[in-house]
Amino acid sequence: ELKVEQNPLFLSMQEGKNYTIYCNYSTTSDRLYWYRQDPGKSLESLFVLLSNGAVKQEGRLMASLDTKARLSTLHITAAVHDLSATYFCAVYDNFGNEKLTFGTGTRLTIIP
Amino acid sequence: KAGVTQTPRYLIKTRGQQVTLSCSPISGHRSVSWYQQTPGQGLQFLFEYFSETQRNKGNFPGRFSGRQFSNSRSEMNVSTLELGDSALYLCASSLEVGQGAAEAFFGQGTRLTVV
Repeated sequence: ELKVEQNPLFLSMQEGKNYTIYCNYSTTSDRLYWYRQDPGKSLESLFVLLSNGAVKQEGRLMASLDTKARLSTLHITAAVHDLSATYFCAVYDNFGNEKLTFGTGTRLTIIP
Repeated sequence: KAGVTQTPRYLIKTRGQQVTLSCSPISGHRSVSWYQQTPGQGLQFLFEYFSETQRNKGNFPGRFSGRQFSNSRSEMNVSTLELGDSALYLCASSLEVGQGAAEAFFGQGTRLTVV
């Protein structure tokens, strides 16, 4: 069964700093997604990564995928308060199971 | 274009009752998936429908069921509600998995509270 692990679970960082969230998964996949969730809200799609070496950037966020290492990273550059949210990675496996398996989420708090 | 619409947004039910939640996917999307989100278990997959057929089911008891209509709208039903069913239920729609990105777009969710 596909397992997806994120770390850290909680991250408190100062504005202006850089940090990386890690997402490891247990079986073969080349389809990985990053979502953002604000408190009490739904999931907002951030990035879709579909191949080994894929890199996507939007503003201060950059996501990458290494399918050989079964690892994706979400890098935050020069954090600002608006980025405070919970971030999830999610993976489809490659065995025809059409369901997303989500990581535990990383609750990110940006401190002024 | 309109996003994924879930109704109702909030529900309060009593233990033992049943509940039906509704999801209208993005126009043109034929795959609809349901997820349960709780603080303890995180986001868990319930089931996925495509063209009125359930293609995948998560590890939930038979009290959880769903269906999809010919217009791709989906409903999920929970019978004999338990306190532990209190959760945010999220619906996601996508183009068919296996067809390109198959990015899942989520609705606002239905917050179910069982008392």
